[in-house]
Amino acid sequence: GEDVEQSLFLSVREGDSSVINCTYTDSSSTYLYWYKQEPGAGLQLLTYIFSNMDMKQDQRLTVLLNKKDKHLSLRIADTQTGDSAIYFCAESTWTGNQFYFGTGTSLTVIP
Amino acid sequence: EAGVAQSPRYKIIEKRQSVAFWCNPISGHATLYWYQQILGQGPKLLIQFQNNGVVDDSQLPKDRFSAERLKGVDSTLKIQPAKLEDSAVYLCASSPRDGPYEQYFGPGTRLTVT
Repeated sequence: GEDVEQSLFLSVREGDSSVINCTYTDSSSTYLYWYKQEPGAGLQLLTYIFSNMDMKQDQRLTVLLNKKDKHLSLRIADTQTGDSAIYFCAESTWTGNQFYFGTGTSLTVIP
Repeated sequence: EAGVAQSPRYKIIEKRQSVAFWCNPISGHATLYWYQQILGQGPKLLIQFQNNGVVDDSQLPKDRFSAERLKGVDSTLKIQPAKLEDSAVYLCASSPRDGPYEQYFGPGTRLTVT
């Protein structure tokens, strides 16, 4: 399978911005996603970006894509304690096949 | 709109026993996925159905795992016989047929093999 890498842990203070990074290897990836997983729950889609875009903003979330470096990031503005969770990036092809998830980044928000 | 339903939520079995998981996707979603999530790792796609046909099962250990999706709706995933390393959460997800294929996940079934 393809490698989708993320740093394991991130800790930020409430009110600060969080930046979660992801690198992928499959150049044929067309859709890139960010999912959130809270303890004991399934994954929840936060946002996605199409590979011909560089940036997408959705309220407190900003996704940046550097296709040349195969680097994806998720910025959460004004991070709240409710944002504490594990965040996964994922990629898929144009046809929606070959979904690969990253290893996950555990975000801890300190009050 | 009802979400993706899975049952059971928890299952404990001994190695070499059999187990089956059930998933009911969101109504109208053509695509259904089964993932295995081992503790501390990201979900790994086991099998992907579009309607009742298999799109991708390249990571399904076919000597012990099987899955079916009858009538293009509900799906079952079976493990026979189970091994200790099958202990994981099994997640089911569904998505619309067309892009961007946003997946909606069920709560998962936590399997413990002793």
